[in-house]
Amino acid sequence: NAGVTQTPKFQVLKTGQSMTLQCAQDMNHEYMSWYRQDPGMGLRLIHYSVGAGITDQGEVPNGYNVSRSTTEDFPLRLLSAAPSQTSVYFCASSRGQGLEYEQYFGPGTRLTVT
Amino acid sequence: AQTVTQSQPEMSVQEAETVTLSCTYDTSESNYYLFWYKQPPSRQMILVIRQEAYKQQNATENRFSVNFQKAAKSFSLKISDSQLGDTAMYFCAFMNSPNSGNTPLVFGKGTRLSVIA
Repeated sequence: NAGVTQTPKFQVLKTGQSMTLQCAQDMNHEYMSWYRQDPGMGLRLIHYSVGAGITDQGEVPNGYNVSRSTTEDFPLRLLSAAPSQTSVYFCASSRGQGLEYEQYFGPGTRLTVT
Repeated sequence: AQTVTQSQPEMSVQEAETVTLSCTYDTSESNYYLFWYKQPPSRQMILVIRQEAYKQQNATENRFSVNFQKAAKSFSLKISDSQLGDTAMYFCAFMNSPNSGNTPLVFGKGTRLSVIA
């Protein structure tokens, strides 16, 4: 299994540009999440999904869209990039919610918006 | 909403010594799950240890153990015999039980631990 994969690893955008961060998992996990990590802020939840066709907002959803058309993929779309979206983005997945369901994290995408 | 607080932004410890990282949280639920994650310079998130609120016995994983005080809403991590490879950011995290709704992990802001030779 490849686990959780994220592409790209690094990206530089200009203000106002749009892009999609890709996340895929091959473990047949129902739960998938997107977090952003900023210095001194820990990881903050952007959006999450508990299954194909179901998404919900997290703590910091503004400026981001998600969809979940398949179990495997959970892309994160930046509609009009802003410098405040400069961050490291992590995708995570798990089989369910509970102590026994370990969250698997991708390697992260470092995004810089100029 | 649940919150997780890590009051120590940075800590250091001598190799082979013991260090304790603090974590407090706020919730009105009676059952939930608590986690400690390690993030080394590679950025990869690694699960260190986990605890269910209903279990009174403190979880242990090799050199890592927790002190779970449910009434005080405290979940500290103790690292014994610290090794240079323990140098990393450590995040405390909270998750509701499934009965309380589908919510992913809520993280604290992290503690940067440096192990000194």
